[in-house]
Amino acid sequence: SQTIHQWPATLVQPVGSPLSLECTVEGTSNPNLYWYRQAAGRGLQLLFYSVGIGQISSEVPQNLSASRPQDRQFILSSKKLLLSDSGFYLCAWKNRGTYNSPLHFGNGTRLTVT
Amino acid sequence: RKEVEQDPGPFNVPEGATVAFNCTYSNSASQSFFWYRQDCRKEPKLLMSVYSSGNEDGRFTAQLNRASQYISLLIRDSKLSDSATYLCVVNYGQNFVFGPGTRLSVLP
Repeated sequence: SQTIHQWPATLVQPVGSPLSLECTVEGTSNPNLYWYRQAAGRGLQLLFYSVGIGQISSEVPQNLSASRPQDRQFILSSKKLLLSDSGFYLCAWKNRGTYNSPLHFGNGTRLTVT
Repeated sequence: RKEVEQDPGPFNVPEGATVAFNCTYSNSASQSFFWYRQDCRKEPKLLMSVYSSGNEDGRFTAQLNRASQYISLLIRDSKLSDSATYLCVVNYGQNFVFGPGTRLSVLP
């Protein structure tokens, strides 16, 4: 069966520090991968998605970047965190080859920028 | 207009009640539709996909009206464990757009 791992679960970082969040998927090949952010009390905002290695689409201009160095690995990064980067970051995958396939989320990383 | 809109909530209902959630979407090219539930400080989890003919999973029934761009979720005989935020999700292309969610509290 497919599983998705996301770490760390919680993170407290000072303003101006770098960020690296990692997500890996097991049990499937060629998934679509996604990064979402959920600010406190808000809905989910799509940040990036990827349909293949090295292919990244950005949905909103921001202080973050994403990379997909391997088929089942998705990394979210920032060179310098802002206070507004605080939130709940969620990685998700989708079976690319199946119509009507839903998203499956990792457990999320709760980031607090201080 | 937001891409996906939901009842603002919150809904506070007694155990055993029937509750309905509504959702509308603006992109007529949307291809697939889902309901997720999200518990406090947790990741969203798939509740059910929504099919054009309507579909049922136990106490949960989902309906889709493509002409009206409207999706609904009905929960019958609600349980305390149904308390959560319910998210309407619309997919087109590679994009999944989430509604803001409707919070449900089932009271003893």
